[in-house]
Amino acid sequence: DAGVIQSPRHEVTEMGQEVTLRCKPISGHNSLFWYRQTMMRGLELLIYFNNNVPIDDSGMPEDRFSAKMPNASFSTLKIQPSEPRDSAVYFCASSFAGGSAIDGYTFGSGTRLTVV
Amino acid sequence: AQSVAQPEDQVNVAEGNPLTVKCTYSVSGNPYLFWYVQYPNRGLQFLLKYITGDNLVKGSYGFEAEFNKSQTSFHLKKPSALVSDSALYFCAVRDPPSTWAGGTSYGKLTFGQGTILTVHP
Repeated sequence: DAGVIQSPRHEVTEMGQEVTLRCKPISGHNSLFWYRQTMMRGLELLIYFNNNVPIDDSGMPEDRFSAKMPNASFSTLKIQPSEPRDSAVYFCASSFAGGSAIDGYTFGSGTRLTVV
Repeated sequence: AQSVAQPEDQVNVAEGNPLTVKCTYSVSGNPYLFWYVQYPNRGLQFLLKYITGDNLVKGSYGFEAEFNKSQTSFHLKKPSALVSDSALYFCAVRDPPSTWAGGTSYGKLTFGQGTILTVHP
């Protein structure tokens, strides 16, 4: 398996533009998580899905952020409009959750977003 | 709410010496604890987990962690550090599964702030 695949690896955009980050989870995993990492705030959970359904989006900073998971093999995180304070590394992670499984996550390599 | 704390922002050790990266937790119920490592410009990699059983858990790359219920700690250890162990280390706690009207929600991971480990030659 190729692991969790995120694209793009790097994104530089101007303030006010729309940004879309993409994630392909590991085949067979049914939970997907979006995290944001910054020096000041560390790792923050933005949103997570179980079986393509959003379970907890309380970490989404504001209405400018939205996430979708139209099927089991694809998810997007969209920022519209983007602002300089959104600059961070965004990670996608997936795991299998079933029965009493208590597993960790497999992380993608991240998307480094810079908003100028 | 479940949480973990990593009291040290940085840990410095000499190669060949034992290393410890500290983590304390606060949970309601049984703790599900994890350690991850992050190398520069990479995603986090799973090292080990404690769910139940032996208090000493062995993981990848020669690392181990000791679960101590009385001290609510889950410190990461390695008997002999390598320069290549230099990285950012995260402790995490996972919420237990919960069943609700819409189905079963499998708990999320909450991470500590991370500890930078530097191993000097």
